[in-house]
Amino acid sequence: EAGVAQSPRYKIIEKRQSVAFWCNPISGHATLYWYQQILGQGPKLLIQFQNNGVVDDSQLPKDRFSAERLKGVDSTLKIQPAKLEDSAVYLCASSLGLLHSGELFFGEGSRLTVL
Amino acid sequence: GENVEQHPSTLSVQEGDSAVIKCTYSDSASNYFPWYKQELGKRPQLIIDIRSNVGEKKDQRIAVTLNKTAKHFSLHITETQPEDSAVYFCAASRGAAGNKLTFGGGTRVLVKP
Repeated sequence: EAGVAQSPRYKIIEKRQSVAFWCNPISGHATLYWYQQILGQGPKLLIQFQNNGVVDDSQLPKDRFSAERLKGVDSTLKIQPAKLEDSAVYLCASSLGLLHSGELFFGEGSRLTVL
Repeated sequence: GENVEQHPSTLSVQEGDSAVIKCTYSDSASNYFPWYKQELGKRPQLIIDIRSNVGEKKDQRIAVTLNKTAKHFSLHITETQPEDSAVYFCAASRGAAGNKLTFGGGTRVLVKP
């Protein structure tokens, strides 16, 4: 079974530039999550989708971050404009759904460096 | 919102010894508590989880205990091996499992041969 796919794996940008990350979850997984993992810290939930609807985006800095999952499958996370403190690994994860096992399957992550 | 504290931040053990990682949570409504292992440069992977209707769960060399009254849960690794070296994260959520998981800050475990 294919895992969660993310791209790009690495991205270096200057502050105030924009960046977009893409995620393809495991086939059939209804729930998709974007987490931000700053070096040395635990993952922090940015946004959670159930199919193509947003379940929670309370910790998403909406002035600069946006995310969408238009057809309930792939998702993109965008940052515009980027700040130095956005340097982190952005992890996408998926799960079968809120009524199933709670296991999250993570992608390899997209490492962002903002200079 | 939920707040999860994890201790210690680093743990060094001799191969064959036991390792214990402790977490506390703030939201008394939390009822799902997974543990994830993240090897260097790799993705986090679930190693064990426990729900609030169970006090202890074991899977080979790893076990998790939960004390709902005190709002803390612990991961126990026995007979540690070099491949247990990794960062371990505890997490907690309420409602449906996996919903809005809040992670602890992580514990870096080093098993010395």
